[in-house]
Amino acid sequence: QKEVEQDPGPLSVPEGAIVSLNCTYSNSAFQYFMWYRQYSRKGPELLMYTYSSGNKEDGRFTAQVDKSSKYISLFIRDSQPSDSATYLCAMWRGGSQGNLIFGKGTKLSVKP
Amino acid sequence: DGGITQSPKYLFRKEGQNVTLSCEQNLNHDAMYWYRQDPGQGLRLIYYSQIVNDFQKGDIAEGYSVSREKKESFPLTVTSAQKNPTAFYLCASSIVRGSGNTIYFGEGSWLTVV
Repeated sequence: QKEVEQDPGPLSVPEGAIVSLNCTYSNSAFQYFMWYRQYSRKGPELLMYTYSSGNKEDGRFTAQVDKSSKYISLFIRDSQPSDSATYLCAMWRGGSQGNLIFGKGTKLSVKP
Repeated sequence: DGGITQSPKYLFRKEGQNVTLSCEQNLNHDAMYWYRQDPGQGLRLIYYSQIVNDFQKGDIAEGYSVSREKKESFPLTVTSAQKNPTAFYLCASSIVRGSGNTIYFGEGSWLTVV
């Protein structure tokens, strides 16, 4: 079983829809959870960073962590065509700085 | 502006040649990283460095080399020993702390072997 699983999509939604992006993980040692957005041919940019179970909101974005189920989600409300990108989850299991593991990314397309 | 600068953006290499990708950051971050991104593979760690003059191998270090002579700079050399070097290479940096490390990426370098 891979440490981090993320459905690659592609996911296509109409403008204004609520988008749900998810990752599961197998290692309970993961402590910190991040979501990155990557536009085509660009470097990933950090969207959200969470530590504890529960929800964290930032504008149209909500990050949710359920450590008991080893499941994290990113919700995008009122999605826009500019949200079309690949979304990567990332998790850090502590210790070395090299212990940051990325999901493979979900490609999202928001149609006008 | 503060950030991470990678150069060149696009690079073509002939088989058997070594090439060096540049990465400079002015964020005053202690840690720097190199990742490789292939379609369907996600991000894979090549090397990382937590402090000047020290670096550690990541998951796919074979065929690559790095140096960290200055805090701001972390160049990556793709050697002729790397069998499949065509990929998108991402440099990143972060502060070093015991409570999580959010890393920030540069814009990437595309390497193509011709």
